[in-house]
Amino acid sequence: DVKVTQSSRYLVKRTGEKVFLECVQDMDHENMFWYRQDPGLGLRLIYFSYDVKMKEKGDIPEGYSVSREKKERFSLILESASTNQTSMYLCASSFKNSPLHFGNGTRLTVT
Amino acid sequence: AQRVTQPEKLLSVFKGAPVELKCNYSYSGSPELFWYVQYSRQRLQLLLRHISRESIKGFTADLNKGETSFHLKKPFAQEEDSAMYYCALSGRDTNAGKSTFGDGTTLTVKP
Repeated sequence: DVKVTQSSRYLVKRTGEKVFLECVQDMDHENMFWYRQDPGLGLRLIYFSYDVKMKEKGDIPEGYSVSREKKERFSLILESASTNQTSMYLCASSFKNSPLHFGNGTRLTVT
Repeated sequence: AQRVTQPEKLLSVFKGAPVELKCNYSYSGSPELFWYVQYSRQRLQLLLRHISRESIKGFTADLNKGETSFHLKKPFAQEEDSAMYYCALSGRDTNAGKSTFGDGTTLTVKP
């Protein structure tokens, strides 16, 4: 069974802090994704990656960056956290064009 | 542009009643449609995809290209079906992970 692990379940950060959200998958998937999940807004794609050191912007990349130095790890970086980035962040991975496998999510609160 | 619409944010039915969660989409190419489900305190997971044409946990969904719909149906709802349901779309010729999600429908099945 595919395992997608997000390092933190809950995070509380202050405005202006640099925040790292980590995600690791154990099934050698090429594709990895970061979404944010907000009530009434569904899931919105922030960034994704089809290969190591490769990244592409999703629908809402502003204020975020990503890093993929190894195939199994995909990090989401908030350069300077703001209160409107308070949200649930979901990492996902997939093999080619198969469906997504999601992590448990990280609930980030920016105060 | 591709778009997914789930018109009902909340849906409530009694146990044993039929349930239908609506999903409409717009996409100019050949779509691939999915239903994902998130039970309380669990990760988001795939429920079914139209290409599989299978029934999962008693749920079915038929792609209607004429009406651009992919409604999720179950003839007899159970309390354990209470969850958040997301409809998602991707293009057959693109990476399935780069999916567009609807806003989600919260289903409550009352005893």
